[in-house]
Amino acid sequence: DAEITQSPRHKITETGRQVTLACHQTWNHNNMFWYRQDLGHGLRLIHYSYGVQDTNKGEVSDGYSVSRSNTEDLPLTLESAASSQTSVYFCASSESSLAGTDTQYFGPGTRLTVL
Amino acid sequence: TQLLEQSPQFLSIQEGENLTVYCNSSSVFSSLQWYRQEPGEGPVLLVTVVTGGEVKKLKRLTFQFGDARKDSSLHITAAQPGDTGLYLCAGARSGGYQKVTFGTGTKLQVIP
Repeated sequence: DAEITQSPRHKITETGRQVTLACHQTWNHNNMFWYRQDLGHGLRLIHYSYGVQDTNKGEVSDGYSVSRSNTEDLPLTLESAASSQTSVYFCASSESSLAGTDTQYFGPGTRLTVL
Repeated sequence: TQLLEQSPQFLSIQEGENLTVYCNSSSVFSSLQWYRQEPGEGPVLLVTVVTGGEVKKLKRLTFQFGDARKDSSLHITAAQPGDTGLYLCAGARSGGYQKVTFGTGTKLQVIP
């Protein structure tokens, strides 16, 4: 069965360190997304990609970067982790339409703590 | 600025009771989705509504999109413990995924 996986599921790091969160999907979807989820804020979009070599900034992109070298993977990098980036991170994917009405399939999340 | 406000934020009810969750905005959306998220998992899509005034039913769940496409509601009849979870609405405006906004969420607990 097709799926979307994230690793690690839990991560503790120190302020200033570089951290990379992995996201891998076997749906063969063109669109992939990274969100962070914080109490009282719902899900906020960090970065998204419509296909290989395409990346776009979301509403809370500062301090984060992504790269898309193949269809299956969209790793999220925190260049210099800050305590404000402590959160639960979700990766999602969807099919090709840009309409915003497609089903997004979410991974299980990565809980990141920055000390 | 949070464009989609959900109410209530928390809801604890007894099994068998009915409830309604609201998703409100001052912005017009081209479509609206409802997701349910269980602890330790990612959200899962329940429904998409695209027409003002549209009503969709999914077993005991009834979803409505406001006539002006600024708000939506989720009504659950005879709630069951399996309905426990975080309910999120997500509105899409024209212009691609940059224009998809998630609501603040409603945490529902159904007590047996």
